[in-house]
Amino acid sequence: NAGVMQNPRHLVRRRGQEARLRCSPMKGHSHVYWYRQLPEEGLKFMVYLQKENIIDESGMPKERFSAEFPKEGPSILRIQQVVRGDSAAYFCATKTGGTYEQYFGPGTRLTVT
Amino acid sequence: QKEVEQDPGPLSVPEGAIVSLNCTYSNSAFQYFMWYRQYSRKGPELLMYTYSSGNKEDGRFTAQVDKSSKYISLFIRDSQPSDSATYLCATPDPNSGYALNFGKGTSLLVTP
Repeated sequence: NAGVMQNPRHLVRRRGQEARLRCSPMKGHSHVYWYRQLPEEGLKFMVYLQKENIIDESGMPKERFSAEFPKEGPSILRIQQVVRGDSAAYFCATKTGGTYEQYFGPGTRLTVT
Repeated sequence: QKEVEQDPGPLSVPEGAIVSLNCTYSNSAFQYFMWYRQYSRKGPELLMYTYSSGNKEDGRFTAQVDKSSKYISLFIRDSQPSDSATYLCATPDPNSGYALNFGKGTSLLVTP
């Protein structure tokens, strides 16, 4: 039973480049949440998606960040024109529709140089 | 005021000790509570979840919720060096699609 998968595990980008982070949900899970973890700040919610729909993006910065969960394929968090402050660990978590428990992937560690 | 408050520690205990980890929350609409364990440079792992006030036990772990004081606890009995990790309390926020509000996490070190 495969768990939540994220890739890449580590990503290095220069300032101004684009970062694409992918999340494949656990089998049977159709709800995806993205979180960002900064040192000293804990895990912060960014966006919640179901297939082909953004349900809540209240935690996402208004500029440069976008997310999608297409009908086929993984969910993608896209960060355009990255800046050093975007360096963090990004986690996705998935769940089924009838529960509250979320299961996390191993994360993508983004470093902006 | 943060939705979920948690003492970051670090907390250092000898092997075999009973560990008590605590959180408080501010929103009485929160009904569901979870504890995650996160090892260094890994994703959070769901340890326990509970819906109501009272205790829930799973092996060496006991989760306790007191809704009257908005206080949640995780107890670890017979702690082991492998329990050394950061422990995060979390509660789903009904106002944001049940996204999790996390405490900052308590760093625990169990020494042999």
